[in-house]
Amino acid sequence: QKEVEQNSGPLSVPEGAIASLNCTYSDRGSQSFFWYRQYSGKSPELIMSIYSNGDKEDGRFTAQLNKASQYVSLLIRDSQPSDSATYLCAVNIAGGTSYGKLTFGQGTILTVHP
Amino acid sequence: DGGITQSPKYLFRKEGQNVTLSCEQNLNHDAMYWYRQDPGQGLRLIYYSQIVNDFQKGDIAEGYSVSREKKESFPLTVTSAQKNPTAFYLCASSLSSYNEQFFGPGTRLTVL
Repeated sequence: QKEVEQNSGPLSVPEGAIASLNCTYSDRGSQSFFWYRQYSGKSPELIMSIYSNGDKEDGRFTAQLNKASQYVSLLIRDSQPSDSATYLCAVNIAGGTSYGKLTFGQGTILTVHP
Repeated sequence: DGGITQSPKYLFRKEGQNVTLSCEQNLNHDAMYWYRQDPGQGLRLIYYSQIVNDFQKGDIAEGYSVSREKKESFPLTVTSAQKNPTAFYLCASSLSSYNEQFFGPGTRLTVL
């Protein structure tokens, strides 16, 4: 089982719709969770951090965390063509004696079509 | 402006050569990281450093070396022992290993 798993997609949504991106993780001791956006040929850009159960909203973005189900998601409301990118889920795996290692999922490709 | 810089943006290497990729940050972050990204792949951790003069191997350290002599700098050397070095290399930093990481613009390395 991969430590962090995302639906590889691609996910295609029409402009103005809600895009829903999902991520599951294996380590119950994980403490912090992040969503990054990566445009083609560019480096990842942090868009959301979430540390406790529930929802966290920032503009059109909402991150949802459910530690009991080991699940974190990202909702993008009113999707725009400029949101078309690869979205990376990252989880701080805190198992064993290792430091809080940030492990990335493979990414979900999102396409927003006009 | 605070941020992370990487140089060069593009780098070409002949087989058998060592090359060094630069990473500098002025965010006063303690932790720094090097990742490798291959086309259509996720990020894989090469090396990380939580404090000056200390660093640890990540998941794919073979064929790479690093140093951390200054808080601001974490250069990565790709040695001739790395058999398939063509990739996109990303440097990141964070306040501590439990905080969010911020990435530099990356260096694209191509072996000729």
